[in-house]
Amino acid sequence: QQQVKQSPQSLIVQKGGISIINCAYENTAFDYFPWYQQFPGKGPALLIAIRPDVSEKKEGRFTISFNKSAKQFSLHIMDSQPGDSATYFCAASSFRNSGYALNFGKGTSLLVTP
Amino acid sequence: KAGVTQTPRYLIKTRGQQVTLSCSPISGHRSVSWYQQTPGQGLQFLFEYFSETQRNKGNFPGRFSGRQFSNSRSEMNVSTLELGDSALYLCASSLGRGKETQYFGPGTRLLVL
Repeated sequence: QQQVKQSPQSLIVQKGGISIINCAYENTAFDYFPWYQQFPGKGPALLIAIRPDVSEKKEGRFTISFNKSAKQFSLHIMDSQPGDSATYFCAASSFRNSGYALNFGKGTSLLVTP
Repeated sequence: KAGVTQTPRYLIKTRGQQVTLSCSPISGHRSVSWYQQTPGQGLQFLFEYFSETQRNKGNFPGRFSGRQFSNSRSEMNVSTLELGDSALYLCASSLGRGKETQYFGPGTRLLVL
């Protein structure tokens, strides 16, 4: 059972545009929501993470928006660049319930065209 | 600091064999988690070790096992390999003590023929 649902599966954005990836969860015990970026042949790398006590977190061109009541969170990539072309995964975990086990979405393949 | 290292990077085995994968965490990290990544199922949690103890386990059969050594290095073993075990096996380390940020290694690509 997929505990974190991610959409879209793939995304094509023009250079300079905004990329938006959405995730939804059911387990209200989740209290840590990271986003990972993965390039072919590499392991996932942490991009940015958020906790449910804030509604937005920004780091450079990457912003997480979090809606606790809707149990949804999203990643916005501003001024998208061809170098951002990668697969993005959202994840969620509850340290109290299950330690560091991350529940991942299925991933979004992002292509930024020149 | 050196990142998470995994060996070997690539492995080809046949059905019925067993395999051992190794993971060296970032220096000072005491928690090591293992994940299986496949195109169909995505990234799935296998198990987590902290201070040589398995603290959490995902929904995988008993053929998948692991251990952690006193220096925090970890090994994962899969016995009686099946074709469906072909995947990228990723190891992630974290400081532990409530710091959830996990840093992933490059993975071991296992192909079962």
